Amino acid sequence: DQQVKQNSPSLSVQEGRISILNCDYTNSMFDYFLWYKKYPAEGPTFLISISSIKDKNEDGRFTVFLNKSAKHLSLHIVPSQPGDSAVYFCAASKGGANNLFFGTGTRLTVIP
Amino acid sequence: GAVVSQHPSWVICKSGTSVKIECRSLDFQATTMFWYRQFPKQSLMLMATSNEGSKATYEQGVEKDKFLINHASLTLSTLTVTSAHPEDSSFYICSVSRGTYEQYFGPGTRLTVT
Repeated sequence: DQQVKQNSPSLSVQEGRISILNCDYTNSMFDYFLWYKKYPAEGPTFLISISSIKDKNEDGRFTVFLNKSAKHLSLHIVPSQPGDSAVYFCAASKGGANNLFFGTGTRLTVIP
Repeated sequence: GAVVSQHPSWVICKSGTSVKIECRSLDFQATTMFWYRQFPKQSLMLMATSNEGSKATYEQGVEKDKFLINHASLTLSTLTVTSAHPEDSSFYICSVSRGTYEQYFGPGTRLTVT
């Protein structure tokens, strides 16, 4: 059973515009959420995270929003750059790093 | 962050043989490492949690006798795929945890079993 879902397998955005990647989860016990970026044949790279006690966390061009009532989080990238083209995974954790549940990923393509 | 390496980056082996993949934490001592596998266009699936000096904890459905994990030191964990079959062909990724929620991943190992 997929507890973390990314329903959009791909997304294309024009350079300079905003990219919005979405993620839904089913388990209300998740207390920490993370976004990872992955290039082909490489391991995921940690991008940004948010605790369940917050609804927003911002780091440069990246902002993650959490809506606990809707069990939904999103990653905003603005402005989008061609180097942002990659697969983005959201992940959720409960009670510590041991239990990290990943979504299926969204492939972002930023068009120059 | 943390710097994690894996070796080899890709390997091709014949059915029935065994393959060992190394995961190294280069800049800190990791008491806990994780092993994931990823099939094409699918999510990363946690296989097992590797604890230094003790037996690994395997996720449900993962054969511990087939995927042998050894975490002999604070900087090295190994995954051995025994009697490999073509269906074991996958991308294997390790990660380390620094005690916080974030996990830091290695570059992965592409295994192809012919």
